[in-house]
Order: sequence, then C-alpha cells, then structure tokens
Amino acid sequence: AQSVAQPEDQVNVAEGNPLTVKCTYSVSGNPYLFWYVQYPNRGLQFLLKYITGDNLVKGSYGFEAEFNKSQTSFHLKKPSALVSDSALYFCAVRVENTGTASKLTFGTGTRLQVTL
Amino acid sequence: DGGITQSPKYLFRKEGQNVTLSCEQNLNHDAMYWYRQDPGQGLRLIYYSQIVNDFQKGDIAEGYSVSREKKESFPLTVTSAQKNPTAFYLCASSIPRGRTEAFFGQGTRLTVV
Repeated sequence: AQSVAQPEDQVNVAEGNPLTVKCTYSVSGNPYLFWYVQYPNRGLQFLLKYITGDNLVKGSYGFEAEFNKSQTSFHLKKPSALVSDSALYFCAVRVENTGTASKLTFGTGTRLQVTL
Repeated sequence: DGGITQSPKYLFRKEGQNVTLSCEQNLNHDAMYWYRQDPGQGLRLIYYSQIVNDFQKGDIAEGYSVSREKKESFPLTVTSAQKNPTAFYLCASSIPRGRTEAFFGQGTRLTVV
C-alpha cells in the first residue's frame, strides 16, 4: 500500500525567511509526487510535481521541491516566505498502474503560518 | 473556462436522510475521484472511477454510493448508513494513468443537523 507522511502539523516562519514543509512517502514502484495548497473552504490547487528527471522541481508562486529517492522524501521549499503563503499544504503520491486508474494518496496536511 | 464544478457549496442533512453531492467536469478527463476531508486527517479516498459505468471503492466507501453514467458527471450519495457524514467533500478529475496532476472542485461542506 502506498502512503504519505507529513510529520509537522504546523510550520511557523517569519516573512522573508526560507521555509520547508516536509514530506516522506512509501510506495512499491516509481512514485509520482505532487504538492497542493488549500486556502480556507476551498479546493486544492496544484503547486508542482515530480515525475522523472531533475530532482529539483520548480512550481507556482516561487515554490520548489527536492526529490530524494534514498530518503524517500519530497520536501517543499521556498527561499523567501510571504504572509500570503499561509495556507494548508498537502503532499500526494501516485504510482503508475497499467490496469486501473492510479490512486492519488494524500498526507494529513501541514499548516503553514507566515508572520510579519 | 475548463474546470470542475461541485454543488451545492453548503449542504445540511437531517439524520436518516440520503443526500447527493454533484460533481461535473468539462476537462474531458476519464478519471474522477471523491475525497472526504476531516481536520487532521487529510484527504481520504471514498470512490474513484476510471471510465463511464465503472467505479471502485476507495479507503472509506462504507455509507456512500456513486454512479458514472456520463463522462462529465460523478455524483456522490451520502446514505443514512454513513454514521458520521459531517465533513468537507472534494471531487477531482484527471487522466487515469497519466503523469498529470488531478484537478479539484471547490468542495461541498456537509453538515448533519
């Protein structure tokens, strides 16, 4: 079974400082990894994904994530946080299946709080 | 504009009633998904469908039912058998076996009164 762990319920960072939101995964096979952001009472918005190739992927709003196969991690990063980045962040994993629709499994989410 | 539309945004259910949540997409995606979101538990998969007239149970299917009669539509019924239905429900769609991301609707908040 595939799973995703986000070990921090909340991350607090001051505006202008770098931020990291952690994610580790467990799958059988090669993973496809995704980060989404959710604002209150809204759906999820896609930020970025890792499929193959370069381990450092860049996404929307200045976010990037680093895929580390040996550590089975896919941490989300941003060099300089903004107050408007405050939201709930979800990491997700999918494994390519040949026979059926591949399930997208989510972590429990990390709340990012950026303060002035 | 292409996207996924969920309705209603807010829904109130009396105990013992069935209610149906609507999800419509015009992205021409074959796969559609229903997730339930509870505080601190992330998103849990209820049902998913790869193609019209086909669907599979997810991790928490008990007390829910779905249909997929049209490619664009994947309604979710919350039955009276679901003992704790109060939650935020999210519908998503994607290419079923592709490497692309899933697209989400804006959600329906269901409350039992």
